[in-house]
Amino acid sequence: NAGVTQTPKFQVLKTGQSMTLQCAQDMNHEYMSWYRQDPGMGLRLIHYSVGAGITDQGEVPNGYNVSRSTTEDFPLRLLSAAPSQTSVYFCASSYSQGHEQYFGPGTRLTVT
Amino acid sequence: SQELEQSPQSLIVQEGKNLTINCTSSKTLYGLYWYKQKYGEGLIFLMMLQKGGEEKSHEKITAKLDEKKQQSSLHITASQPSHAGIYLCAPTGNTGKLIFGQGTTLQVKP
Repeated sequence: NAGVTQTPKFQVLKTGQSMTLQCAQDMNHEYMSWYRQDPGMGLRLIHYSVGAGITDQGEVPNGYNVSRSTTEDFPLRLLSAAPSQTSVYFCASSYSQGHEQYFGPGTRLTVT
Repeated sequence: SQELEQSPQSLIVQEGKNLTINCTSSKTLYGLYWYKQKYGEGLIFLMMLQKGGEEKSHEKITAKLDEKKQQSSLHITASQPSHAGIYLCAPTGNTGKLIFGQGTTLQVKP
Protein backbone atom coordinates (compact mmCIF):
# COMPACT_ATOMS: atom_id res chain seq x y z
CA ASN A 1 0.00 0.00 0.00
CA ALA A 2 1.20 3.52 -0.79
CA GLY A 3 -0.78 4.86 2.17
CA VAL A 4 -1.67 8.56 1.91
CA THR A 5 -0.10 10.40 -0.99
CA GLN A 6 -0.06 14.14 -1.64
CA THR A 7 0.90 16.17 -4.66
CA PRO A 8 2.63 18.46 -5.26
CA LYS A 9 5.31 18.42 -2.58
CA PHE A 10 6.13 22.09 -3.08
CA GLN A 11 4.20 24.90 -4.73
CA VAL A 12 4.64 28.65 -5.16
CA LEU A 13 1.61 30.73 -6.09
CA LYS A 14 1.00 34.38 -6.70
CA THR A 15 -1.77 36.16 -4.82
CA GLY A 16 -5.09 35.56 -6.51
CA GLN A 17 -4.13 32.36 -8.29
CA SER A 18 -6.09 29.19 -7.71
CA MET A 19 -4.89 25.64 -7.40
CA THR A 20 -5.81 22.19 -6.14
CA LEU A 21 -3.80 20.15 -3.67
CA GLN A 22 -4.27 16.47 -4.35
CA CYS A 23 -4.69 13.77 -1.71
CA ALA A 24 -5.28 10.08 -2.27
CA GLN A 25 -5.32 6.99 -0.06
CA ASP A 26 -5.40 3.33 -1.01
CA MET A 27 -6.49 1.90 2.35
CA ASN A 28 -10.24 2.15 1.71
CA HIS A 29 -10.55 4.60 4.59
CA GLU A 30 -13.87 6.34 5.06
CA TYR A 31 -12.59 9.37 6.98
CA MET A 32 -10.29 11.93 5.37
CA SER A 33 -9.19 15.36 6.50
CA TRP A 34 -7.02 18.35 5.66
CA TYR A 35 -4.85 20.22 8.17
CA ARG A 36 -2.54 23.16 7.89
CA GLN A 37 0.52 23.53 10.06
CA ASP A 38 1.94 26.94 10.93
CA PRO A 39 4.71 27.91 13.35
CA GLY A 40 3.27 28.70 16.76
CA MET A 41 -0.23 27.62 15.71
CA GLY A 42 0.22 23.89 15.50
CA LEU A 43 -2.01 21.78 13.26
CA ARG A 44 -5.46 23.12 12.49
CA LEU A 45 -8.28 21.28 10.78
CA ILE A 46 -9.50 22.85 7.52
CA HIS A 47 -12.12 20.41 6.18
CA TYR A 48 -12.97 16.79 6.69
CA SER A 49 -15.08 14.05 5.14
CA VAL A 50 -16.71 11.01 6.75
CA GLY A 51 -17.33 9.31 3.42
CA ALA A 52 -17.80 9.81 -0.30
CA GLY A 53 -20.20 12.66 -0.98
CA ILE A 54 -20.02 14.04 2.57
CA THR A 55 -17.80 16.93 3.64
CA ASP A 56 -17.82 19.37 6.53
CA GLN A 57 -15.91 22.39 7.76
CA GLY A 58 -13.19 22.27 10.33
CA GLU A 59 -11.63 25.03 12.37
CA VAL A 60 -10.24 27.19 9.53
CA PRO A 61 -12.28 26.56 6.35
CA ASN A 62 -12.35 30.05 4.84
CA GLY A 63 -10.66 30.29 1.45
CA TYR A 64 -10.73 26.53 0.87
CA ASN A 65 -13.12 24.16 -0.86
CA VAL A 66 -13.23 20.38 -0.82
CA SER A 67 -15.20 17.62 -2.48
CA ARG A 68 -15.25 13.84 -2.05
CA SER A 69 -16.52 12.13 -5.17
CA THR A 70 -14.68 8.87 -4.46
CA THR A 71 -13.49 7.09 -1.31
CA GLU A 72 -9.87 7.37 -2.44
CA ASP A 73 -9.53 11.08 -3.28
CA PHE A 74 -10.00 14.23 -1.26
CA PRO A 75 -8.69 17.31 -3.11
CA LEU A 76 -8.33 20.71 -1.45
CA ARG A 77 -8.97 23.76 -3.62
CA LEU A 78 -7.65 27.22 -2.98
CA LEU A 79 -10.00 29.58 -4.81
CA SER A 80 -7.93 32.78 -4.71
CA ALA A 81 -4.63 32.32 -2.92
CA ALA A 82 -3.60 34.81 -0.26
CA PRO A 83 -0.25 35.20 1.56
CA SER A 84 -2.03 34.08 4.76
CA GLN A 85 -2.43 30.67 3.14
CA THR A 86 1.32 30.12 3.08
CA SER A 87 1.64 26.98 5.12
CA VAL A 88 2.35 23.27 5.11
CA TYR A 89 -0.75 21.26 4.28
CA PHE A 90 -1.32 17.71 5.46
CA CYS A 91 -3.93 15.26 4.37
CA ALA A 92 -4.89 12.39 6.67
CA SER A 93 -7.17 9.38 6.56
CA SER A 94 -8.56 6.81 8.96
CA TYR A 95 -10.80 3.76 8.88
CA SER A 96 -13.47 5.77 10.63
CA GLN A 97 -13.78 8.80 12.91
CA GLY A 98 -12.86 6.79 15.97
CA HIS A 99 -9.63 5.36 14.65
CA GLU A 100 -6.09 6.65 14.38
CA GLN A 101 -5.34 8.85 11.38
CA TYR A 102 -2.52 8.33 8.93
CA PHE A 103 -0.89 11.38 7.43
CA GLY A 104 0.52 12.15 4.02
CA PRO A 105 3.99 13.70 3.57
CA GLY A 106 2.62 17.23 3.19
CA THR A 107 2.57 20.02 0.61
CA ARG A 108 4.61 23.13 1.33
CA LEU A 109 2.77 26.09 -0.19
CA THR A 110 4.12 29.62 -0.52
CA VAL A 111 1.90 32.47 -1.69
CA THR A 112 3.72 35.63 -2.74
CA SER B 1 -12.96 23.24 24.68
CA GLN B 2 -10.32 20.73 25.62
CA GLU B 3 -6.73 21.93 25.66
CA LEU B 4 -3.57 19.90 25.87
CA GLU B 5 -0.33 21.10 27.36
CA GLN B 6 2.88 19.27 26.65
CA SER B 7 6.02 19.48 28.74
CA PRO B 8 8.76 20.11 28.25
CA GLN B 9 8.42 22.18 25.09
CA SER B 10 11.88 21.13 24.00
CA LEU B 11 14.43 18.64 25.18
CA ILE B 12 18.06 17.91 24.32
CA VAL B 13 19.47 14.62 25.55
CA GLN B 14 22.64 12.66 25.04
CA GLU B 15 22.31 9.46 23.06
CA GLY B 16 21.61 6.54 25.35
CA LYS B 17 19.77 8.57 27.98
CA ASN B 18 16.17 7.99 29.01
CA LEU B 19 13.57 10.74 28.80
CA THR B 20 9.91 11.43 29.51
CA ILE B 21 7.44 13.73 27.78
CA ASN B 22 4.14 14.64 29.42
CA CYS B 23 0.79 15.60 27.96
CA THR B 24 -1.78 17.12 30.34
CA SER B 25 -5.39 17.74 29.44
CA SER B 26 -7.69 20.49 30.73
CA LYS B 27 -10.58 17.99 30.72
CA THR B 28 -11.09 14.29 31.38
CA LEU B 29 -8.84 12.27 29.15
CA TYR B 30 -10.68 9.19 27.93
CA GLY B 31 -8.07 8.28 25.36
CA LEU B 32 -5.05 9.70 23.63
CA TYR B 33 -3.02 9.47 20.45
CA TRP B 34 0.73 9.97 20.28
CA TYR B 35 2.30 11.04 17.01
CA LYS B 36 5.84 11.88 15.95
CA GLN B 37 6.89 14.32 13.25
CA LYS B 38 10.32 14.66 11.71
CA TYR B 39 11.21 18.04 10.24
CA GLY B 40 9.70 18.50 6.79
CA GLU B 41 7.72 15.28 6.97
CA GLY B 42 4.25 14.11 7.85
CA LEU B 43 3.08 12.81 11.19
CA ILE B 44 3.72 9.20 12.09
CA PHE B 45 1.21 7.43 14.32
CA LEU B 46 2.95 5.93 17.35
CA MET B 47 0.18 4.55 19.54
CA MET B 48 -3.29 5.03 20.93
CA LEU B 49 -4.26 4.68 24.58
CA GLN B 50 -7.90 4.00 25.16
CA LYS B 51 -8.48 3.68 28.89
CA GLY B 52 -7.10 4.84 32.18
CA GLY B 53 -4.05 2.93 33.31
CA GLU B 54 -3.39 1.52 29.86
CA GLU B 55 0.26 1.23 28.93
CA LYS B 56 1.62 0.42 25.48
CA SER B 57 5.11 -0.06 24.15
CA HIS B 58 6.59 0.06 20.70
CA GLU B 59 10.29 -0.70 20.42
CA LYS B 60 11.87 1.61 23.02
CA ILE B 61 8.90 3.93 23.41
CA THR B 62 6.36 3.39 26.19
CA ALA B 63 3.25 5.48 26.76
CA LYS B 64 0.83 5.40 29.67
CA LEU B 65 -2.53 7.06 30.31
CA ASP B 66 -3.36 8.28 33.81
CA GLU B 67 -7.03 9.13 33.60
CA LYS B 68 -7.24 10.52 37.14
CA LYS B 69 -4.42 12.95 36.52
CA GLN B 70 -5.78 13.74 33.06
CA GLN B 71 -2.29 13.06 31.82
CA SER B 72 -0.29 10.81 29.56
CA SER B 73 3.43 10.23 29.63
CA LEU B 74 5.67 9.01 26.85
CA HIS B 75 8.96 7.46 27.90
CA ILE B 76 11.90 6.70 25.64
CA THR B 77 14.52 4.28 26.88
CA ALA B 78 18.14 4.51 25.69
CA SER B 79 17.42 7.31 23.21
CA GLN B 80 18.91 7.22 19.72
CA PRO B 81 19.31 9.92 17.05
CA SER B 82 16.41 8.28 15.20
CA HIS B 83 14.13 9.31 18.08
CA ALA B 84 14.68 13.00 17.31
CA GLY B 85 11.64 14.93 16.15
CA ILE B 86 8.49 16.58 17.43
CA TYR B 87 6.19 14.51 19.61
CA LEU B 88 2.51 15.44 19.56
CA CYS B 89 -0.42 14.25 21.61
CA ALA B 90 -4.11 14.53 20.78
CA PRO B 91 -7.19 13.27 22.65
CA THR B 92 -9.38 10.62 21.08
CA GLY B 93 -13.05 11.37 20.49
CA ASN B 94 -13.85 14.79 19.01
CA THR B 95 -15.50 12.90 16.15
CA GLY B 96 -12.20 12.47 14.36
CA LYS B 97 -11.01 16.07 14.65
CA LEU B 98 -7.50 15.89 16.02
CA ILE B 99 -6.70 18.68 18.48
CA PHE B 100 -3.00 18.54 19.15
CA GLY B 101 -0.88 19.84 21.96
CA GLN B 102 1.81 22.30 20.95
CA GLY B 103 4.38 19.54 20.68
CA THR B 104 7.67 18.62 22.33
CA THR B 105 10.80 18.96 20.22
CA LEU B 106 13.40 16.31 21.00
CA GLN B 107 17.02 16.46 19.96
CA VAL B 108 19.33 13.53 20.61
CA LYS B 109 23.04 14.29 20.55
CA PRO B 110 25.29 11.48 19.33
